[in-house]
Amino acid sequence: GQSLEQPSEVTAVEGAIVQINCTYQTSGFYGLSWYQQHDGGAPTFLSYNALDGLEETGRFSSFLSRSDSYGYLLLQELQMKDSASYFCAVRVLNTGGFKTIFGAGTRLFVKA
Amino acid sequence: EAQVTQNPRYLITVTGKKLTVTCSQNMNHEYMSWYRQDPGLGLRQIYYSMNVEVTDKGDVPEGYKVSRKEKRNFPLILESPSPNQTSLYFCASQSPMKTQYFGPGTRLLVL
Repeated sequence: GQSLEQPSEVTAVEGAIVQINCTYQTSGFYGLSWYQQHDGGAPTFLSYNALDGLEETGRFSSFLSRSDSYGYLLLQELQMKDSASYFCAVRVLNTGGFKTIFGAGTRLFVKA
Repeated sequence: EAQVTQNPRYLITVTGKKLTVTCSQNMNHEYMSWYRQDPGLGLRQIYYSMNVEVTDKGDVPEGYKVSRKEKRNFPLILESPSPNQTSLYFCASQSPMKTQYFGPGTRLLVL
């Protein structure tokens, strides 16, 4: 089967750095995405990694190692507004095209 | 403004009464998806469409139908809703750079 694992909860202090890990077991892997979702809202796209390495976008960075089936999202200079759920998602090649499989999500609590 | 719209936003219905949730995007994206979100399970893909008249099953397609007659619209059809289809539903369209844009969501309660 295809599966993704990410921690259910992470707590960090305002101004700190936090890393949310994601490991996956899939066939036909094409890329790893990260999404943020605030309570009551829709998911919003943060990043997409198709190749190994680090992608940086402002305070957020995302890393992928295809050989280790592993990625992470790094959030720097944490702010209270970063309290949200974060989902990793893999893009996999299916018989009819490309499917997207999401992890169960990591709830991030940022404390003052 | 680039956006994905869904209607209705909230719906209460009864078992067996056919319903359709509409989804429309104005970004000319080829790839569109439907997801359901349930507590503790994240988002699960129901159906996706690579382009007009090209659709395929995601991970949880049972009890759902879709159609893609034109690029901008991707309706989700529940022919005979059951209580286990009570959920939060999201439509999404994907850019060529693999960014998925989500609609605001539809909360469905099946009694």
